Amino acid sequence: AQSVSQHNHHVILSEAASLELGCNYSYGGTVNLFWYVQYPGQHLQLLLKYFSGDPLVKGIKGFEAEFIKSKFSFNLRKPSVQWSDTAEYFCAVNAHSSASKIIFGSGTRLSIRP
Amino acid sequence: NAGVMQNPRHLVRRRGQEARLRCSPMKGHSHVYWYRQLPEEGLKFMVYLQKENIIDESGMPKERFSAEFPKEGPSILRIQQVVRGDSAAYFCASSIEMGDTEAFFGQGTRLTVV
Repeated sequence: AQSVSQHNHHVILSEAASLELGCNYSYGGTVNLFWYVQYPGQHLQLLLKYFSGDPLVKGIKGFEAEFIKSKFSFNLRKPSVQWSDTAEYFCAVNAHSSASKIIFGSGTRLSIRP
Repeated sequence: NAGVMQNPRHLVRRRGQEARLRCSPMKGHSHVYWYRQLPEEGLKFMVYLQKENIIDESGMPKERFSAEFPKEGPSILRIQQVVRGDSAAYFCASSIEMGDTEAFFGQGTRLTVV
């Protein structure tokens, strides 16, 4: 069965700091990987996704993530965060090319000090 | 192109009543997912439906919960005889097809059982 682990439950950073949020998944086959963001009081929006190809994926708002197959990881990064990045971030996975549910991690709450 | 529409946004039910949550997927999308989000927790998968079919209901409680996605009309998540523990935010997502595609989320329905 697929599972997703996000080890950081709450991260607090100052503006302009660099960000890296960890995500590890457990699944023996080929996967699709996602990062979603949920701003306070809003629905989930897709930040970026990996299906195949270049393991370094660039998303919206300056975010990027790197798929490292050998480590089963898909960490989210941003070189310089802004106060508006305050939100909850969810990593998600589903099995490649099949009728597969999307499994989410427990989320990481990011708080940015102005 | 309207996004995923969920209604109502807020629903209050007394213990023992029934709750019906509706989800209209994006135009052209034939796959719907339902998730439950509890405070301080991530999104828990409940059920994955295609029109007139349940593909995966492994996350649905065995009793009181049911879901459908008829040929015409929205997907419905039905909770019978609600209890306080059912209070949560329920999110619906839709995708255009199974496999290598992202899911788009609705605004959610916040159910409060009093």
